[in-house]
Amino acid sequence: SAVISQKPSRDICQRGTSLTIQCQVDSQVTMMFWYRQQPGQSLTLIATANQGSEATYESGFVIDKFPISRPNLTFSTLTVSNMSPEDSSIYLCSARQARETQYFGPGTRLLVL
Amino acid sequence: QKEVEQDPGPLSVPEGAIVSLNCTYSNSAFQYFMWYRQYSRKGPELLMYTYSSGNKEDGRFTAQVDKSSKYISLFIRDSQPSDSATYLCAMSGGSGYSTLTFGKGTMLLVSP
Repeated sequence: SAVISQKPSRDICQRGTSLTIQCQVDSQVTMMFWYRQQPGQSLTLIATANQGSEATYESGFVIDKFPISRPNLTFSTLTVSNMSPEDSSIYLCSARQARETQYFGPGTRLLVL
Repeated sequence: QKEVEQDPGPLSVPEGAIVSLNCTYSNSAFQYFMWYRQYSRKGPELLMYTYSSGNKEDGRFTAQVDKSSKYISLFIRDSQPSDSATYLCAMSGGSGYSTLTFGKGTMLLVSP
């Protein structure tokens, strides 16, 4: 299994600012993903982080708001830009190894005031 | 109709009980089925992974898939208070690049 770490684990931010979340995997993986989880809700896929090319965003999420980088096979970042209180959520990094086996990081708890 | 339906619970059981958690789905293209366990303030942890129909057992956990009924189950035997968590089902079409579709999760509470 892949071990995934995220930084920061939590943050409190002011509206209008941006936060970059880092995701590190302990082994090379084929695919990396970013999810959002609102309190009491399931996971919503934001985008697939593609190595060496632009991320693939799901409906309702745009690059200007959630720019993503993936410079190599073990690392990715998600930036939440121009934050508003509606962006308060848990942001989860995920990685896929073999076939559909997908693992998750511990999450970043974000509160926007 | 949502693609994946899962009763949010909470499901409360006494320690030692057999627990049954279920999901139904509508997309017949799904071939890979997973169960994740998520403790409060933690990320989801992959518990069971099954391809197509059939059963898979791992210790106290058994995953069951019935593709004809579009119904999957997770059974927990001899449930423990440490099993108290939210259980999320997830599934995908299996193209190798397909994304996971999650249920909303069922909260399980096992009382000592």
